[in-house]
Amino acid sequence: GNSVTQMEGPVTLSEEAFLTINCTYTATGYPSLFWYVQYPGEGLQLLLKATKADDKGSNKGFEATYRKETTSFHLEKGSVQVSDSAVYFCALRGSNTGTASKLTFGTGTRLQVTL
Amino acid sequence: NAGVMQNPRHLVRRRGQEARLRCSPMKGHSHVYWYRQLPEEGLKFMVYLQKENIIDESGMPKERFSAEFPKEGPSILRIQQVVRGDSAAYFCASSSRGDSYEQYFGPGTRLTVT
Repeated sequence: GNSVTQMEGPVTLSEEAFLTINCTYTATGYPSLFWYVQYPGEGLQLLLKATKADDKGSNKGFEATYRKETTSFHLEKGSVQVSDSAVYFCALRGSNTGTASKLTFGTGTRLQVTL
Repeated sequence: NAGVMQNPRHLVRRRGQEARLRCSPMKGHSHVYWYRQLPEEGLKFMVYLQKENIIDESGMPKERFSAEFPKEGPSILRIQQVVRGDSAAYFCASSSRGDSYEQYFGPGTRLTVT
């Protein structure tokens, strides 16, 4: 079945540092890939997405590129802010019948940005 | 345009009681998904519903859990005879269509079983 593996946290960075959160996946066919962010006490918000190989999703300074050859979708940001402190989830949606509706999530990576 | 609404936000139940969680999808959305997030874990898919139909319940526990999405009113996730292991955050998401359409998440209901 489909699965998502992302790096364990917590990740602690100083403000303006470079961020990378690794995400790899296992899926048949051509899944769509997503990054969601969860702020404390809130639900998930879609951060960015990519629907086919070599697509780059970007939003609010965050980027991730869909790499089919390495089955990866790593999240990056050049300069993090304290307000980026949250839990980040990598997710996929399958392309096959029966998997195309539900999202499969990684376990989440907590990011803590300090001044 | 209101987003996905869930209530209650926090629910405390004693072991053996019933828990009812409600989800009102975004306006114009007729597809609802329920996910469960156990402490320190990612979200796990439970069930996918359209109005009056359960499309995919492959993630639902076989016993005590049920879900519905009636023609009128919110979607309901019902947990009978709750146990401590049911303590989790339950998130609802909605979309305008199934498959490749984006899912919008509600703020979640945090269920605590004492």
